[in-house]
Amino acid sequence: EAQVTQNPRYLITVTGKKLTVTCSQNMNHEYMSWYRQDPGLGLRQIYYSMNVEVTDKGDVPEGYKVSRKEKRNFPLILESPSPNQTSLYFCASRIPGGELFFGEGSRLTVL
Amino acid sequence: AQKITQTQPGMFVQEKEAVTLDCTYDTSDPSYGLFWYKQPSSGEMIFLIYQGSYDQQNATEGRYSLNFQKARKSANLVISASQLGDSAMYFCAMRPYSSASKIIFGSGTRLSIRP
Repeated sequence: EAQVTQNPRYLITVTGKKLTVTCSQNMNHEYMSWYRQDPGLGLRQIYYSMNVEVTDKGDVPEGYKVSRKEKRNFPLILESPSPNQTSLYFCASRIPGGELFFGEGSRLTVL
Repeated sequence: AQKITQTQPGMFVQEKEAVTLDCTYDTSDPSYGLFWYKQPSSGEMIFLIYQGSYDQQNATEGRYSLNFQKARKSANLVISASQLGDSAMYFCAMRPYSSASKIIFGSGTRLSIRP
């Protein structure tokens, strides 16, 4: 089954404790992206990757890092989480010109 | 600036009625794509329908159709014969072809279907 898999789905952590949200897709898509969803703001792009070893900032990259060492994986790293990073996070991938395929979302709470 | 505007934060509709969810967009790109996604209470994002800016006909997918009015820069989603399962958050999104890396989302409309 074609899918984008994110882990963890739910996480409560404390300020400053580094965490990684993993994302993996099995569709051989070159393009992958991370979004955060906040009430009233819709989805905002954090980082994206056009291919292996090619990443770039989206609209709200502050406080986040990513890497793309393999085509299928695109982890999101929060080096020192803060409460304003409490949000619902989505990883997505697509073919050129196609629609986004989303993971199931990761709900993160930073205390 | 490239932007998607959804002016209806929430809507209530009676079951079996048709419903129109509004979406206007702003871009200077001559070529772009427009998308609608559904987010049920379970949280996943489900792709519904796509319209290309040069498509001659309005897109349709089952009970979903996109009322594309290019001159007005609007891309409203029409759901015919609404069902209880249509209750969800709906997002309009745009991808300008000059900025292929970016898909811009609106703030969403929460649709509630009354039995």
